[in-house]
Order: sequence, then structure tokens, then C-alpha cells
Amino acid sequence: GENVEQHPSTLSVQEGDSAVIKCTYSDSASNYFPWYKQELGKRPQLIIDIRSNVGEKKDQRIAVTLNKTAKHFSLHITETQPEDSAVYFCAGTSYGKLTFGQGTILTVHP
Amino acid sequence: GAVVSQHPSWVICKSGTSVKIECRSLDFQATTMFWYRQFPKQSLMLMATSNEGSKATYEQGVEKDKFLINHASLTLSTLTVTSAHPEDSSFYICSAPSMLISGELFFGEGSRLTVL
Repeated sequence: GENVEQHPSTLSVQEGDSAVIKCTYSDSASNYFPWYKQELGKRPQLIIDIRSNVGEKKDQRIAVTLNKTAKHFSLHITETQPEDSAVYFCAGTSYGKLTFGQGTILTVHP
Repeated sequence: GAVVSQHPSWVICKSGTSVKIECRSLDFQATTMFWYRQFPKQSLMLMATSNEGSKATYEQGVEKDKFLINHASLTLSTLTVTSAHPEDSSFYICSAPSMLISGELFFGEGSRLTVL
């Protein structure tokens, strides 16, 4: 099955700085890579996703890049704000199932 | 987007009792639903896939007899934690796949189970 590794486990930045979270996956057949933001005690919220036929996707302050050859994808958040503080999960899809990374606790200091 | 509703949002029970969690797709039909478990400060781990009209598929290491899954209709899947113990205390989240966008999942609100 799919194995997704996520780094770093914690990330602390100053407001306005950029934040980058990286993930690697094992299954070359994976073709859908979503990123979720989860606040304490709440359900994961999809913030951006990318498919294997695209190398980069951007939505305002959030962007995701995918390198299929290297089997890694990254989340980029620019101009971070305190409300971006949360746990972020990457995921890969194999046989219709999502496998999540370990999560990154992002803290944005005012 | 599509809505998945989960109930109860939190439950406290005594050790040895059983607890049922419901997951409903409110505005679409879901032939498949996924059940995840999330321990504090950990990731979401897939427990099982429920299939409408047939048996659920469990992930390796998940006890079928302990976590009973029933997918009785196209809008309802239930997870019953039988003979719950304190180590079963966790956040349980269901999800249903989008019918329109391959791979996209709609998550329920989650159910916080605390076993005393």
C-alpha cells in the first residue's frame, strides 16, 4: 500500500514569512495529492490538491508542487497569518484510499 | 460541496459498553464510506471501508469483531465500538468520496469517544 512521509513535524514562523511542508510517497500509481488543514477537535479541511498530470497549482497564498519522478510534493504558504496556525496533513491516494502523512503543526507568531 | 454528517460529536461511556457512531451523506448517495481513527497528536489512520450492501473491508490490524461496520443504505454507515475499553478512546471520523471529483473526500464532523 501507499506510504506517505511528511516533514517537518513542527514548524514555527513569524507572521508574514513563508512556510513549506514536504511529503514523499511510495506508490508510483498514486495520482491525487490533497492537503488538509485541521484545527483542534475539528474535521480536516481540504485546502488545495494536485493531480499527477500537473506540476504546480496555486490558490492565492497557497501553492502545491509535485515532482512525480522523485515522488514528492510540497505545500507552500506565503505571507503567513496567525490564523494559518493548525495541523496540516498531506495525503496520497492508492486504490481509491487516502493515506495521510504524519502531520505538521504550524505555528505562526504575530 | 457535499455534506457528511456524523453523530454523536462526542460520547463518554463506561468500559465494557458498546457505542454506535452514525455517518450520513445528506445530499448525495455514498456507496462507499471510509472510517478513520485519530489518536491525540497523531495522523488519521484508515480503519475500514464500508460498502453499501456488502461486508466492510478492514485494514490490517483492525479487529472486525470489535469495530462493527454496517452500511445499510446509500446514505448511512454506522460504526459500533463493541466492549469499549479506555484504549479505544479516540477521535473517529467518517468520510465519503465525491461522485464528481475522483479522490476527493467529504469528512464528517468527527466523534470524540472517551471510555472511562
